[in-house]
Amino acid sequence: AQSVTQPDIHITVSEGASLELRCNYSYGATPYLFWYVQSPGQGLQLLLKYFSGDTLVQGIKGFEAEFKRSQSSFNLRKPSVHWSDAAEYFCAVAALSGNTGKLIFGQGTTLQVKP
Amino acid sequence: DTGVSQDPRHKITKRGQNVTFRCDPISEHNRLYWYRQTLGQGPEFLTYFQNEAQLEKSRLLSDRFSAERPKGSFSTLEIQRTEQGDSAMYLCASSFPGRGARNIQYFGAGTRLSVL
Repeated sequence: AQSVTQPDIHITVSEGASLELRCNYSYGATPYLFWYVQSPGQGLQLLLKYFSGDTLVQGIKGFEAEFKRSQSSFNLRKPSVHWSDAAEYFCAVAALSGNTGKLIFGQGTTLQVKP
Repeated sequence: DTGVSQDPRHKITKRGQNVTFRCDPISEHNRLYWYRQTLGQGPEFLTYFQNEAQLEKSRLLSDRFSAERPKGSFSTLEIQRTEQGDSAMYLCASSFPGRGARNIQYFGAGTRLSVL
């Protein structure tokens, strides 16, 4: 069965430091991958997506992610973190079974930003 | 484009009561999804509508749960005889169909249910 693993449950970085959030997926074919961000009490906002083509994708708020098929990974990066980036981040893959596009999410990574 | 709207934002109920949540998708989005998110976990898929047809239901959706999308616009999710284990955030998402699974889902703010 398809699954998504986010190995880091909680990450703390200093404001201005770089950030990398890890995501690993299990799936045979080319996956459709997403990163969403969730602020407290809010719904999920799409940061970026990968469907095909260039393996380095740019998203909103200065985020980028790189798809690495050999490592089954889709890690999220940001060169300089802002205090407003503190939130919960979810990696997801679109399930192809049934062709509904339903998403399978990882457990999430909580990002804390130190001043 | 006003985004996906969910009502209510919060619901507190006693065990055994019935509750109903509403989701208004982005207009012209014909795909609608419900997910459930418990504390410290990622959202889990519950059910999927394409227009008014409910095309997939997760095994998480017990017979106490029912969802409808009567005219292919708004959707309701009803939980009968609520249990404490139903306490969670219920998220609704909608999308305009891309090619197969290539669709981007837009999420509402969710309804947080607390069962006492």
